Amino acid sequence: DGGITQSPKYLFRKEGQNVTLSCEQNLNHDAMYWYRQDPGQGLRLIYYSQIVNDFQKGDIAEGYSVSREKKESFPLTVTSAQKNPTAFYLCASQGGRNSPLHFGNGTRLTVT
Amino acid sequence: GNSVTQMEGPVTLSEEAFLTINCTYTATGYPSLFWYVQYPGEGLQLLLKATKADDKGSNKGFEATYRKETTSFHLEKGSVQVSDSAVYFCALSEGNQGGKLIFGQGTELSVKP
Repeated sequence: DGGITQSPKYLFRKEGQNVTLSCEQNLNHDAMYWYRQDPGQGLRLIYYSQIVNDFQKGDIAEGYSVSREKKESFPLTVTSAQKNPTAFYLCASQGGRNSPLHFGNGTRLTVT
Repeated sequence: GNSVTQMEGPVTLSEEAFLTINCTYTATGYPSLFWYVQYPGEGLQLLLKATKADDKGSNKGFEATYRKETTSFHLEKGSVQVSDSAVYFCALSEGNQGGKLIFGQGTELSVKP
């Protein structure tokens, strides 16, 4: 079954530590996205990548970094510079322009 | 810029009631429109889509019609079930934006038995 895998489902970190969230897809999609979701709010775009070795900032990129060394993988690092990192993080992939996004099941990050 | 506005929730209905969740959009071109559903603790799943004016998307008893004249894409279901309780997101995608989706803020639906 093709899909997107995010791991882990729950992640706990101490303030000041960097943490990397994993996102893997086997849909052969070129485009991948990272969104952040806070309680009662919509999705805000952090970073996106439309092709391997290339990525662009979204609306709230500050304090985050990404890499896209392989088509299948788009890890997100939440750095200590992110002022309010506790949130639900969603990864998605897309097969073509104007195509729907396919989402993973998310990682809930708690920083204390 | 492009934007999506949804009716505020939460929406609480009794089982078998009729559902409407309003969605209006602002876009400079000819976007594709989507409805996604999110169950508690999970990612978003595509519910239905429409790619041009007057298209009707439908799935699992849900329907939405792409109305260019009113820039709307309202979600409807004739008879909701308890299992429909979730958060529903309206979204648009424009090719000239690189295919990125813009989401509304989501509408929480709670269906009581």
